Amino acid sequence: NAGVMQNPRHLVRRRGQEARLRCSPMKGHSHVYWYRQLPEEGLKFMVYLQKENIIDESGMPKERFSAEFPKEGPSILRIQQVVRGDSAAYFCASSPQSRGSGANVLTFGAGSRLTVL
Amino acid sequence: GQQLNQSPQSMFIQEGEDVSMNCTSSSIFNTWLWYKQDPGEGPVLLIALYKAGELTSNGRLTAQFGITRKDSFLNISASIPSDVGIYFCAGSGSARQLTFGSGTQLTVLP
Repeated sequence: NAGVMQNPRHLVRRRGQEARLRCSPMKGHSHVYWYRQLPEEGLKFMVYLQKENIIDESGMPKERFSAEFPKEGPSILRIQQVVRGDSAAYFCASSPQSRGSGANVLTFGAGSRLTVL
Repeated sequence: GQQLNQSPQSMFIQEGEDVSMNCTSSSIFNTWLWYKQDPGEGPVLLIALYKAGELTSNGRLTAQFGITRKDSFLNISASIPSDVGIYFCAGSGSARQLTFGSGTQLTVLP
């Protein structure tokens, strides 16, 4: 009964390169969220997706960042032309349902730590 | 947007002592959650609260959903070394995504 799986756990990129972070939600979960955490700060919402749909991307920068959750395969957070300020931990979370009291209870992965040199 | 104020920012306590931390929101929340994060790991859910006034326990942890729906507190009784970590409150209102507090760093001294 695997939890939320994220990879890679650590990623180093040079300025201008692309970063791709992958997330497989818990079995049976169809809702995926991406959060960013800067050192010694809380988690900031980026984007919420269901299969093949972006539901809310209000927290995601308009340029260089994109996210997808295809019908088959993991959710991908893509950062193009990375800059030093993109260095952070990126967490994926999933939830099982769209309505009800448990809809907002998120299970998090261990995170992907991006370092931009 | 929704904002959460979490306090205190950090705490140093002796093993065996009780701990209390709280969060207040600028707007009404429908759900309050408390998470713990260990270094290098993702947040792990401790307690979920769904109803104003609700008081819920999980072992030595107790959390309450404030009557005004704008606040919540977490108590840890008889702290032990493994309680060390960062505790985050999180809440959601009309929007589905969670808003997180800035965290309380807990250090337990032997």
